[in-house]
Amino acid sequence: GAGVSQSPSNKVTEKGKDVELRCDPISGHTALYWYRQSLGQGLEFLIYFQGNSAPDKSGLPSDRFSAERTGGSVSTLTIQRTQQEDSAVYLCASSAPTSGRNEQYFGPGTRLTVT
Amino acid sequence: QKEVEQNSGPLSVPEGAIASLNCTYSDRGSQSFFWYRQYSGKSPELIMFIYSNGDKEDGRFTAQLNKASQYVSLLIRDSQPSDSATYLCAVNQGGGADGLTFGKGTHLIIQP
Repeated sequence: GAGVSQSPSNKVTEKGKDVELRCDPISGHTALYWYRQSLGQGLEFLIYFQGNSAPDKSGLPSDRFSAERTGGSVSTLTIQRTQQEDSAVYLCASSAPTSGRNEQYFGPGTRLTVT
Repeated sequence: QKEVEQNSGPLSVPEGAIASLNCTYSDRGSQSFFWYRQYSGKSPELIMFIYSNGDKEDGRFTAQLNKASQYVSLLIRDSQPSDSATYLCAVNQGGGADGLTFGKGTHLIIQP
């Protein structure tokens, strides 16, 4: 079946602009996760959704970052007033958590470059 | 602060040999453990998961978990050049939906 899809695959933006990144999870997966990966920082958890609600926003690095999920499916991650330190690969994952199990599958990522 | 530690490598292993990758974690309450493989320029690919102490085998891969010692390992038998990649260890505190804490990965090189 189709995996996690993300768009755009690459985004170059000027410092101070807002950007929106999109994630479409695996069909039937109720949980959706956003991570980012930058050189020297490894893979960093940002936020996750169970259905449309986000129980854990603790990983969002600043209030410039927000995310929403509607209809229990597609999610958008918005970064306002982008800064150069926001440059990274933003990865989305989804899972179908059951009791004691939560295997997460990643999409191809969006490479964000802030100039 | 939950931490997952891996040796960054590179770990160089001859083709056909066993590659052994190790990972330690700080949160004793961790319940779920994952190994991802990441090729350069690609996203992480889930290759193994383990939830109980002991060994779990899948093809050429074996994951080993020791909760008392807080370590998890990945063995790759009959290593192939296509196994050359960065291997990421990830840990989930809870057993359900939750963000994963990742190590920074071990760069594995299989020498033909």
